[in-house]
Amino acid sequence: DIVMTQSPDSLAVSLGERATINCKSSQSVLYSSNNKNYLAWYQQKPGQPPKLLLYWASTRESGVPDRFSGSGSGTDFTLTISSLQAEDVAVYYCQQYYSTPYSFGQGTKLEIK
Amino acid sequence: QVQLVQSGAEVKKPGASVKVSCKASGYIFTRYGISWVRQAPGQGLEWMGWISGYNGNTMYAQKFQGRVTMTTDTSTSTVYMELRTLRSDDKAVYYCARHLGGPIPAAILEIWGQGTMVTVSS
Repeated sequence: DIVMTQSPDSLAVSLGERATINCKSSQSVLYSSNNKNYLAWYQQKPGQPPKLLLYWASTRESGVPDRFSGSGSGTDFTLTISSLQAEDVAVYYCQQYYSTPYSFGQGTKLEIK
Repeated sequence: QVQLVQSGAEVKKPGASVKVSCKASGYIFTRYGISWVRQAPGQGLEWMGWISGYNGNTMYAQKFQGRVTMTTDTSTSTVYMELRTLRSDDKAVYYCARHLGGPIPAAILEIWGQGTMVTVSS
């Protein structure tokens, strides 16, 4: 099974500043036949279901603000929020959909400093 | 609009079974897969398995094999998840989530239901 590990567990960033969340998989999630990384990012606010932000590691879901971006390949990935807004306070999860059981990172709680 | 509406909260005794429904609307049901994900109180997300809306084929996480069954009713565009032999650590919010469409089949969880709280208590 692929284990997903996020860092840090929690993060406090000032409004307007950059927030960076890392995600590491225990084995590569890059599928060589199509050169795609099977990695998604979700945002979850209290009392709500998760919301898809990015998939294929860097493709932004429709309607997601462009301050959210994803990068990385193979086993190491990053979610970046370029200029933190108050509404970005949430828990963020990475997920691999390369092989079953599809697995999530433990989550990173993002707060305002 | 595309949405998934789940059944209401359940309270079950240890050893019992629970069946949660997830009714889809706003899209062609048979063209998409649906995963089930659960979240224990204050904890992270755990993928349980998925079912094809096209042919009802399933893939379950090993952890739940033998205890979970996912089914579809294409006449009502509804997916069901039954979990048996409930334990106290099965207490969680259970979500259904529709896979993103596209040329490459993948469990990218685009549309989520509102969640169903299942409590297991004697």
